[in-house]
Amino acid sequence: TQLLEQSPQFLSIQEGENLTVYCNSSSVFSSLQWYRQEPGEGPVLLVTVVTGGEVKKLKRLTFQFGDARKDSSLHITAAQTGDTGLYLCAGAQAGNNRKLIWGLGTSLAVNP
Amino acid sequence: KAGVTQTPRYLIKTRGQQVTLSCSPISGHRSVSWYQQTPGQGLQFLFEYFSETQRNKGNFPGRFSGRQFSNSRSEMNVSTLELGDSALYLCASSLAPARNEQFFGPGTRLTVL
Repeated sequence: TQLLEQSPQFLSIQEGENLTVYCNSSSVFSSLQWYRQEPGEGPVLLVTVVTGGEVKKLKRLTFQFGDARKDSSLHITAAQTGDTGLYLCAGAQAGNNRKLIWGLGTSLAVNP
Repeated sequence: KAGVTQTPRYLIKTRGQQVTLSCSPISGHRSVSWYQQTPGQGLQFLFEYFSETQRNKGNFPGRFSGRQFSNSRSEMNVSTLELGDSALYLCASSLAPARNEQFFGPGTRLTVL
């Protein structure tokens, strides 16, 4: 059972366009992380959101954690070819046996 | 500070063989997690070690095993390799157990023929 659903699965856009990708769950997470992975490399952490409703900005990337801490979104403004990659979200479960739950990712291609 | 290193980067094996992969975490990080990544299944959690103890384990058969040494370096072993074991194996380190921010190595690309 995939507890974190990411959409869309694939996205191909032109340089300069805006886009939003989503990470949704029916479970509540104590925190949620976003990573970007380039081909042949491991994922790189972009941001961690902790508080419901929290918004964090990283240059042209805006991350939002849902009020109920069940979902998150990543918005990219004026996409560049360097934004190409696989975007993964991972939610941290509460409880004693805590572990990260991963989505399958959104594969983004930004074309020149 | 050096990042997470994994060796080897690429490996080709045949069915039935066994393989050992190595991971050196960031200095000072005591938690190491292992993941299998395939196009269809995404990142699948294998296990997590903290202070030489396995803290969490994913839903993989017993052919997959791991350990952590006193210097926090970790190894994972896969015995009796199957074609379906072909994947990118990623190691991630963190200061504390896996729910914290993780820093990934470049992975070991395993191909089973």
